[in-house]
Amino acid sequence: ELQLVESGGGLVQPGGSLRLSCAASGFTFSSFAMTWVRQAPGKGLEWVSGISGSGGSTYYADSVKGRFSISRDNSKNTLYLQMNSLRAEDTAVYYCANFNSEVVAATVDYWGQGTLVTVSS
Amino acid sequence: QSALTQPASVSGSPGQSITISCTGTSSDVGSYNLVSWYQQHPGKAPKLMIYEVSKRPSGVSDRFSGSKSGNTASLTISGLQAEDEADYYCCSYAGSSTVLFGGGTKLTVL
Repeated sequence: ELQLVESGGGLVQPGGSLRLSCAASGFTFSSFAMTWVRQAPGKGLEWVSGISGSGGSTYYADSVKGRFSISRDNSKNTLYLQMNSLRAEDTAVYYCANFNSEVVAATVDYWGQGTLVTVSS
Repeated sequence: QSALTQPASVSGSPGQSITISCTGTSSDVGSYNLVSWYQQHPGKAPKLMIYEVSKRPSGVSDRFSGSKSGNTASLTISGLQAEDEADYYCCSYAGSSTVLFGGGTKLTVL
């Protein structure tokens, strides 16, 4: 059974950093592109970042470019999101999800349950 | 990277059909057949309901269908049931390996 389990969320001060992790199981992790999508409290979904199956190509929304960094360790079946220079507007539930292809030009398929990041002093 | 446009809310009675629209531009919805729809119940993760405009994942009821015309995609739910009450989001590939979501539509089953 395919499973995506996020961790690493929590309370952080503005300007601080946090690293999210997503442990994947039940599928051939390296064969699929992965993505992070966030949802601010009471708001809609916002695509944050994507990475190819090999990890060689990474992509970002303008709102996080230069502050966030996506990576993956295919030997550990784990996806990461390093978040720096955090702002109040980054407060959201962060979901890890897989694309149904090795590339990002595909469908966001299965989602984890999410991890809450709160940026506040 | 502006969000796709969806109505904030739609409603229907059990057994009826409803349609949710999703309007983008010629750079996203209009250019790619990579439109998908997600159902999200309160406090839960989104679930894929339709992909590549009109395909249904295994296990999704055939009461859900999708279509696209020009820059606008649509999700139709027929034979409304109480458990269909949820938020629905459209999503489109937007080129240059980026993805756009719609603002979401709250479906109320009266």
